[in-house]
Amino acid sequence: GAGVSQSPSNKVTEKGKDVELRCDPISGHTALYWYRQSLGQGLEFLIYFQGNSAPDKSGLPSDRFSAERTGGSVSTLTIQRTQQEDSAVYLCASSLEILNSPLHFGNGTRLTVT
Amino acid sequence: KQEVTQIPAALSVPEGENLVLNCSFTDSAIYNLQWFRQDPGKGLTSLLLIQSSQREQTSGRLNASLDKSSGRSTLYIAASQPGDSATYLCAVTNTGFQKLVFGTGTRLLVSP
Repeated sequence: GAGVSQSPSNKVTEKGKDVELRCDPISGHTALYWYRQSLGQGLEFLIYFQGNSAPDKSGLPSDRFSAERTGGSVSTLTIQRTQQEDSAVYLCASSLEILNSPLHFGNGTRLTVT
Repeated sequence: KQEVTQIPAALSVPEGENLVLNCSFTDSAIYNLQWFRQDPGKGLTSLLLIQSSQREQTSGRLNASLDKSSGRSTLYIAASQPGDSATYLCAVTNTGFQKLVFGTGTRLLVSP
């Protein structure tokens, strides 16, 4: 079956512009996660959704970052007024349940801010 | 704050060798531990998930063990193959939280 789909796969934007990243999780997966992976760094947790609600937004780096999920399915991560330090690979993952279910990752969106 | 460390950072072995990757974590109050592999330019693929009440999990040539009290996990790969070349990451879920904390990974290269 279809895995987690992320779009776009690559995004180059100018500093100061807004960007929107999209994640289509596996159908039926209630949990959805956003992580960020910078060059040479580990995976940094950003936010997770249980259904449409986001109980833990503690990982969002600043108020320029926001995310939403609608219909218990598609999620979008929005970065406003992008900065060069926002350049990274943004990974989305989904799982059947919040706990004790393996995470299934998409291939990520590579964001480059020039 | 949970911290996850993986040693070694990189490993190069000839095909056919058995090898062990190490993962340690500072807070033993974990709910589970997962091992992933990541191929260049790709997302992560889940390999094994070990619940805190379990000692090990096996899948094919992979065996992962968990010693929660000492804060350690190992991933054993038997009879390594060039296709095993990838970065291997471990991640833990702390009790009471719903997010995984990842290590920085071990980059494995298996030469033919």
